[in-house]
Amino acid sequence: DAMVIQNPRYQVTQFGKPVTLSCSQTLNHNVMYWYQQKSSQAPKLLFHYYDKDFNNEADTPDNFQSRRPNTSFCFLDIRSPGLGDAAMYLCATSRGGAYYEQYFGPGTRLTVT
Amino acid sequence: AQKITQTQPGMFVQEKEAVTLDCTYDTSDQSYGLFWYKQPSSGEMIFLIYQGSYDEQNATEGRYSLNFQKARKSANLVISASQLGDSAMYFCAMREVQYNFNKFYFGSGTKLNVKP
Repeated sequence: DAMVIQNPRYQVTQFGKPVTLSCSQTLNHNVMYWYQQKSSQAPKLLFHYYDKDFNNEADTPDNFQSRRPNTSFCFLDIRSPGLGDAAMYLCATSRGGAYYEQYFGPGTRLTVT
Repeated sequence: AQKITQTQPGMFVQEKEAVTLDCTYDTSDQSYGLFWYKQPSSGEMIFLIYQGSYDEQNATEGRYSLNFQKARKSANLVISASQLGDSAMYFCAMREVQYNFNKFYFGSGTKLNVKP
């Protein structure tokens, strides 16, 4: 009964070749998040949506874009991946408000060759 | 200033013993939520326990309890009767009501190793 699903689980792309990661949820949560996580580090928030409102972190590179076509789906587009973009990408969802936890997907491990 | 500070990069505990993972936070908001997550080597983040700033009692969930000391701005996670499967990274996180209430602030994590 997966609640936050990420596809693919593993993605290999070439340097500079655009790649899209997808996330879907069955929880009907209005907030969706994308995080980048490198080995043994805390997850780094890239952006989040509150319903259709897009919130970009100030230090998220322009190379990273996101789309949320409906409540259930959210996509992370990396326009020109560099070697430094190799990481685990985590999608999460939550209800709006400070008192609700996040539910995470299993992550997509991105390798850039 | 860091919103969440976890000062223990790594810890060891003997199986069946209790362990405390430290977390301090910084906020000027009166209303906020505090969360602990576990991340095994598989990579998935698992929600463990939540404490609201107005909750007077410490939160408990099975073997997990949260030692909440509001005046000291600390929210330590206590794991009782450690098991080998508790070996993982543990992250403390906070979410504020007033300032960007959908954003979670994470600490740098503590890697826990449970020894048999």
